[in-house]
Amino acid sequence: GNSVTQMEGPVTLSEEAFLTINCTYTATGYPSLFWYVQYPGEGLQLLLKATKADDKGSNKGFEATYRKETTSFHLEKGSVQVSDSAVYFCALSERNGNKLVFGAGTILRVKS
Amino acid sequence: SQTIHQWPATLVQPVGSPLSLECTVEGTSNPNLYWYRQAAGRGLQLLFYSVGIGQISSEVPQNLSASRPQDRQFILSSKKLLLSDSGFYLCAWSARQGEYGYTFGSGTRLTVV
Repeated sequence: GNSVTQMEGPVTLSEEAFLTINCTYTATGYPSLFWYVQYPGEGLQLLLKATKADDKGSNKGFEATYRKETTSFHLEKGSVQVSDSAVYFCALSERNGNKLVFGAGTILRVKS
Repeated sequence: SQTIHQWPATLVQPVGSPLSLECTVEGTSNPNLYWYRQAAGRGLQLLFYSVGIGQISSEVPQNLSASRPQDRQFILSSKKLLLSDSGFYLCAWSARQGEYGYTFGSGTRLTVV
């Protein structure tokens, strides 16, 4: 079945540090890939997405590239801020599927 | 534009009491609808999903049930709450084709005491 694996957290960084959160997936066919962010006490918000191989999703300084050859969709940001502290979820959706498969989430803590 | 409303935002209920959480979507037709629970920690557990009125799929057998009485309304219920039902409940919708992802509601924090 389809699955998403994220790096274990929490990830603790100082402000302005470079961020990478690893995400790999297992899926049949050609899934769409997503990163969601959840700020404390809130629902999930779509951060970025990519629907085919080599696509790069980007938003708010975050980027992720759909790598079919390595089945990965790693999240990166060049300079994190304290306000980026949140839980980040990687997810996939089969093109004709009804369900989104989520990773376990990675807590990011950014210190000033 | 599409919006999703979920209420209440917080709820404290005694053990054995009933539960009704409501979710409505505006600005779209025939959405897929989902209920997730996020227990202590951060993992998301899919509870129910629906692809149409009266069509409910249950992912995990438990003390909860779901109903979809109208196209854009999704209700999560329980006849008798357990302590283990405490958690953060999230409603979401998606277009028929899953490649566009989900849009989530703001969540309901349920505490069973």
